[in-house]
Amino acid sequence: KAGVTQTPRYLIKTRGQQVTLSCSPISGHRSVSWYQQTPGQGLQFLFEYFSETQRNKGNFPGRFSGRQFSNSRSEMNVSTLELGDSALYLCASSLEGTPHTFFGPGTRLTVL
Amino acid sequence: DQQVKQNSPSLSVQEGRISILNCDYTNSMFDYFLWYKKYPAEGPTFLISISSIKDKNEDGRFTVFLNKSAKHLSLHIVPSQPGDSAVYFCAASGAGGTSYGKLTFGQGTILTVHP
Repeated sequence: KAGVTQTPRYLIKTRGQQVTLSCSPISGHRSVSWYQQTPGQGLQFLFEYFSETQRNKGNFPGRFSGRQFSNSRSEMNVSTLELGDSALYLCASSLEGTPHTFFGPGTRLTVL
Repeated sequence: DQQVKQNSPSLSVQEGRISILNCDYTNSMFDYFLWYKKYPAEGPTFLISISSIKDKNEDGRFTVFLNKSAKHLSLHIVPSQPGDSAVYFCAASGAGGTSYGKLTFGQGTILTVHP
């Protein structure tokens, strides 16, 4: 079975721009979640989608948003980028009813 | 408000010895605990997990112990190998159903295993 895939792997943007990151979960996994990893804050939960609906949300500003499609693929969007948004963004998927969450390789976003 | 804490930023161990990584949590609603291993610029890799109804779970060289009354868990790696060198994260999730999709992570412990 293929693992969680994320595109692109690397991105460089400038302040004020917006960015969209994509994630394809493991086949059969309907829950998709997103995390941000920074040196200062560690791994922080952004949001989780299940059946195209946001089911859990972390403490991030409204500039961070996401969506999930009918095939379980997910995208997250960050608008009006700030320098502090530079981070590794990780997508993860899991089977419904289990906490075993599997992560993708991440997208490294650099905001200049 | 750090609900999951890994108080040791780093741990250095000799090859063949035991590595013990510790994790404390404050939220009594956490019901499931997981350990992940992470290399730089890669996503975390699931290692082992434990439900709150158990106090021990083993998988090969990895054993996780849970002390609910102390809100403490530990990961034991025996014997340690140089390839185990990585950052180890402890994570916790709430009780079942819709809470499983949200993991709360500790800050991580850098494990270095010397040959």
